[in-house]
Amino acid sequence: KNQVEQSPQSLIILEGKNCTLQCNYTVSPFSNLRWYKQDTGRGPVSLTIMTFSENTKSNGRYTATLDADTKQSSLHITASQLSDSASYICVVSVQAGTALIFGKGTTLSVSS
Amino acid sequence: NAGVTQTPKFQVLKTGQSMTLQCAQDMNHNSMYWYRQDPGMGLRLIYYSASEGTTDKGEVPNGYNVSRLNKREFSLRLESAAPSQTSVYFCASSDLGKGGYTFGSGTRLTVV
Repeated sequence: KNQVEQSPQSLIILEGKNCTLQCNYTVSPFSNLRWYKQDTGRGPVSLTIMTFSENTKSNGRYTATLDADTKQSSLHITASQLSDSASYICVVSVQAGTALIFGKGTTLSVSS
Repeated sequence: NAGVTQTPKFQVLKTGQSMTLQCAQDMNHNSMYWYRQDPGMGLRLIYYSASEGTTDKGEVPNGYNVSRLNKREFSLRLESAAPSQTSVYFCASSDLGKGGYTFGSGTRLTVV
């Protein structure tokens, strides 16, 4: 069964600190992996998208990594800001199809 | 630069009532989608339209119907609302060849 598991479920960090969110997937055949940020009451917004051949993709203070062999991805947030408080969703796309498999998300709270 | 626009943003229905959620995109995307998001669960696909004139069922289609009115608009209809359909509904569009998905800001529906 195609699944995307994220950890931790929630995380609280102090402003200015770094954090890393994890995503493990069992999706086949794999097409690409995306990380989305979802603010409360808003729709998800794309942060990064990586294909099978890409190991790292950055978007400002957000850096995503992908290990296609172990089927793991991480999202690293550097020098966190209050505005980083949101849910971060890992999404894996099935090859040659329209199916997106969504993780349940990690809720990040950044406090001052 | 509107992207994906959903209406209404909030709605309360009584059990058995019907309503249509509207979605329009201005990015000339071929594919459009309806998802629902429930607490503690990832987004789940209700219906999608890979291109104008076609619609297909997703993971959770029961109780819903859709219409791809034209390339821009994709509506979701609840014929007889049930409390189990209380959820946040997101419309999305994509140009599959380029990989990106754009989500609307959501419709929060409560069925009492």
